[in-house]
Amino acid sequence: NAGVTQTPKFRILKIGQSMTLQCAQDMNHNYMYWYRQDPGMGLKLIYYSVGAGITDKGEVPNGYNVSRSTTEDFPLRLELAAPSQTSVYFCASSSDVGSYNSPLHFGNGTRLTVT
Amino acid sequence: TQLLEQSPQFLSIQEGENLTVYCNSSSVFSSLQWYRQEPGEGPVLLVTVVTGGEVKKLKRLTFQFGDARKDSSLHITAAQPGDTGLYLCATDMGRRALTFGSGTRLQVQP
Repeated sequence: NAGVTQTPKFRILKIGQSMTLQCAQDMNHNYMYWYRQDPGMGLKLIYYSVGAGITDKGEVPNGYNVSRSTTEDFPLRLELAAPSQTSVYFCASSSDVGSYNSPLHFGNGTRLTVT
Repeated sequence: TQLLEQSPQFLSIQEGENLTVYCNSSSVFSSLQWYRQEPGEGPVLLVTVVTGGEVKKLKRLTFQFGDARKDSSLHITAAQPGDTGLYLCATDMGRRALTFGSGTRLQVQP
């Protein structure tokens, strides 16, 4: 089982460049999420989606955009990279949220450095 | 404002010792999940607690949900180097996404 697949694993961007972080899941989950994790910290929610065509902002959405055209894919777009966006980005999916039988399944992350 | 407070932030112990980490909030949880994250990987779910006063055991790990459902603890008995990692609690806070605490980083020295 592939689960949640994120690409690329690592990326270095110059200030002002743009890029798309890819995320795909093969578990037919409706819910998908993007979190960022700064060094030594927990996870902060950037955007989430409860199904194809539906997205919503999390705690720290500024500087990012998302789309959800299919159930499987949930790409995260950085338009004008800034040093403050240096972080590890995790994509996750679940069949529901917070309930007993719906854990979040995470990818292995994309480590992004903006210089 | 951190909705979920975890303590301690960092813990370094010797193999064989016991430890307890905590997750607290001023809000009532509908449910609470504990995750463990190892270096270079995404978090993995350990347990979900739902009922106030609930106690769940996972081998040497014991999870407790407070009676008022505002706090939870994770106790590890006879810690091993394989327990090393970042322990995160998370809850939905009534939203359609999980909010995570800042985590407790555990280092178990052999």
